Amino acid sequence: DAGVIQSPRHEVTEMGQEVTLRCKPISGHNSLFWYRQTMMRGLELLIYFNNNVPIDDSGMPEDRFSAKMPNASFSTLKIQPSEPRDSAVYFCASSSPGVSGNTIYFGEGSWLTVV
Amino acid sequence: AQSVAQPEDQVNVAEGNPLTVKCTYSVSGNPYLFWYVQYPNRGLQFLLKYITGDNLVKGSYGFEAEFNKSQTSFHLKKPSALVSDSALYFCAVSRPAGGATNKLIFGTGTLLAVQP
Repeated sequence: DAGVIQSPRHEVTEMGQEVTLRCKPISGHNSLFWYRQTMMRGLELLIYFNNNVPIDDSGMPEDRFSAKMPNASFSTLKIQPSEPRDSAVYFCASSSPGVSGNTIYFGEGSWLTVV
Repeated sequence: AQSVAQPEDQVNVAEGNPLTVKCTYSVSGNPYLFWYVQYPNRGLQFLLKYITGDNLVKGSYGFEAEFNKSQTSFHLKKPSALVSDSALYFCAVSRPAGGATNKLIFGTGTLLAVQP
């Protein structure tokens, strides 16, 4: 299995630019999660989807952040406009009670630096 | 509300000695408990989980954890530490959610440093 695939792995962008992070979950998984990791705040859940429907977006920091899951094999996390405080590692993860027994598997992360 | 506490920011242990990384949780109902490991510049890797059944759970790389309901704890253990075990360890909790996976709430992480 290829695992959860995220792109880009690294991105450096200027403040004010739009950033789009992409995720392909493990085939057959019906839950998808976006987490953010920073030194100050640790691992934070931003949003998660079940069967392509957003279930809980209470962790999305503000309106500059948006996430979509147009189909079972693709999701995006968009930041517009980006700010230096958005610099972090963004992880996508996926799971399924039947396929993974509720274990959530993580991608390698997208390392974002906003200058 | 769900929460996880990892009381130690760092644990230091000599190679060959047993190690314990502590975790306590707070959740209503029956918890699902997980341990993940993160190596530098990498994603989180699943180590082991407790869903139901035997309180002692065995996982990858020789790690194990014991679910203690009365103490609401799920400490990670290994009988003999290796230098290669040095990494950041996260405990996490979720609750059953029927036909889909519920969200994981993570602790703050414990840095394990194994000295040769």
